[in-house]
Amino acid sequence: KQEVTQIPAALSVPEGENLVLNCSFTDSAIYNLQWFRQDPGKGLTSLLLIQSSQREQTSGRLNASLDKSSGRSTLYIAASQPGDSATYLCAVQLPSGTYKYIFGTGTRLKVLA
Amino acid sequence: DAGVTQSPTHLIKTRGQQVTLRCSPKSGHDTVSWYQQALGQGPQFIFQYYEEEERQRGNFPDRFSGHQFPNYSSELNVNALLLGDSALYLCASSGGTDTQYFGPGTRLTVL
Repeated sequence: KQEVTQIPAALSVPEGENLVLNCSFTDSAIYNLQWFRQDPGKGLTSLLLIQSSQREQTSGRLNASLDKSSGRSTLYIAASQPGDSATYLCAVQLPSGTYKYIFGTGTRLKVLA
Repeated sequence: DAGVTQSPTHLIKTRGQQVTLRCSPKSGHDTVSWYQQALGQGPQFIFQYYEEEERQRGNFPDRFSGHQFPNYSSELNVNALLLGDSALYLCASSGGTDTQYFGPGTRLTVL
């Protein structure tokens, strides 16, 4: 059974710091992995999607890596800003059947000005 | 392309009532999945609809039911609402085996 864990559960950093959010999953058989941002009371915003055949994806100050063999992904945020404050969710898509997503419980990030 | 749309945005109900949430998939998508996100948790898979039939269900009681229409839009129905049903309900669409794209969600509050 696929399980997704995110560490840390919460993180508070000063503005300008580079930071890394971690995601681990128990079964390396995945279709893809996606990182989402969620602001309080709002829906999901997709940040980066990494297909199972890829190693990393980049968008602006964000870089996500994927190591399927070790069941790990990291989201790197460069030069953090107060506007980056949100909950970041990692989700893996199953490779067959319904192709449903299994989500972690998220990392709550607060960037202090 | 409007992407995945959901209605209503917010909804307040009382215990024991019934509720219907609606989802329109992204253009070209024929598969709709529903997820429930309780406060402080990650979204949990409720069920998926394809060709107007429920293809798979997660660990949710029969009070949760759904429907898919010929135009691929979908409804999620919840009967006999409980306080614990308060959550953000997310709809995701896909073109069969493709990546799922999520809508903005419906916030349901049960009093």
